[in-house]
Amino acid sequence: DIQMTQSPSTLSASVGDRVTITCRASQSISTWLAWYQQKPGKAPGLLIYKASRLQSGVPSRFSGSGSGTEFTLTISSLQPDDSATYYCQQDNSYRLTFGPGTKVDIK
Amino acid sequence: EVQLVESGGGLVQPGGSLRLSCAASGFTFSNYVLTWVRQAPGKGLDWVSAISGGGGTTFYADSVRGRFTVSRDNSKNTLYLQMNSLRAEDTAVYYCAKGPVAYFSSGDCYLDCWGQGTLVTVSS
Repeated sequence: DIQMTQSPSTLSASVGDRVTITCRASQSISTWLAWYQQKPGKAPGLLIYKASRLQSGVPSRFSGSGSGTEFTLTISSLQPDDSATYYCQQDNSYRLTFGPGTKVDIK
Repeated sequence: EVQLVESGGGLVQPGGSLRLSCAASGFTFSNYVLTWVRQAPGKGLDWVSAISGGGGTTFYADSVRGRFTVSRDNSKNTLYLQMNSLRAEDTAVYYCAKGPVAYFSSGDCYLDCWGQGTLVTVSS
């Protein structure tokens, strides 16, 4: 199975900060990567698919980039509502695998 | 509005069985791959199983293969997960989620809509 890692595992930033989360795959997955946001007690929601395509309804402050084995999720100007855990997920293979998550807190 | 609603979770003893259901609405059910993903308390997301739009192709995680069976009834717009020989490590919230297409294809297996989840607790 393709293994996914994320860094950092947690981060704390202020409102208005630019935030970047990195996701790495154990083998090349082209641009077959998605990002999800999950708030406590809620189901995950899709933010980005195919590495850089913004899901309908997602604020434009979220963006994704990367290909091969290294990917990033960027929040251009952190908002209070962005406090959540973020997961990357590869869909190069039908045996989907997720990263361990990055918890984002607001200072 | 696309909606997925899971049901059937609860407390079951080790070795027991449970069947989860996921009722769908707001889209043409048979046109999309459906997936089960679970999340143990305080842990990350764990892919469990998936089924193609027509139901003819299924996949399972190694941890559940031979114990869990995924199926769908396209006439009832409902997805199922039959779980047998349950273990303590199967304790989790189980989510059903919808993909963007009816078939399995690299780059088209992301999950664009999720249900609210149903809690399965395996304990004596």
